[in-house]
Amino acid sequence: DVKVTQSSRYLVKRTGEKVFLECVQDMDHENMFWYRQDPGLGLRLIYFSYDVKMKEKGDIPEGYSVSREKKERFSLILESASTNQTSMYLCASSLEKGTGGPFFGPGTRLTVL
Amino acid sequence: DAKTTQPPSMDCAEGRAANLPCNHSTISGNEYVYWYRQIHSQGPQYIIHGLKNNETNEMASLIITEDRKSSTLILPHATLRDTAVYYCIVRVSGNNDMRFGAGTRLTVKP
Repeated sequence: DVKVTQSSRYLVKRTGEKVFLECVQDMDHENMFWYRQDPGLGLRLIYFSYDVKMKEKGDIPEGYSVSREKKERFSLILESASTNQTSMYLCASSLEKGTGGPFFGPGTRLTVL
Repeated sequence: DAKTTQPPSMDCAEGRAANLPCNHSTISGNEYVYWYRQIHSQGPQYIIHGLKNNETNEMASLIITEDRKSSTLILPHATLRDTAVYYCIVRVSGNNDMRFGAGTRLTVKP
């Protein structure tokens, strides 16, 4: 089975802190994604990556950056956390070719105080 | 990617089949139909996908109409653990993201 893991299920940070959210997949997928999910707004794409060291902006990249140094790992970085970044963050991965997935991790619920 | 329309909520009795409809009247010839579900506070879970033929796996069956303008996800024997929000998505294979709508909140009742 495909497995996508995220470093934390719950995280509480203070305004202005630098926050790292880590995602690891074990199926050698080329594509990896970061979404955030908020009530009434659904899932929104923040960034995605189709290869190591490659990244593309999604719909809402402002206030975020990403890092993909290894194929299996995709990190989301909040350079200076703000209260409006309180949300559920979801990582996903998929093959470059083929129609299956993407497959999602369990999510990280981040609260910024 | 084409848009989809789903009912906001449905109920189903435990042990009965749950039939979740989805309209995608603007679907293109190269767009697949995907179904995901999300149980409260968890990440979306992939269920099934198809292009034009009906598909079945261990979780569900997907019935796509001949004109491909609508589809139905069937959970043959719904259990309480199938209570979740179900999302129908259409997208081109290899497209680099999934666009989730509001989905259908399925409640399975004892």
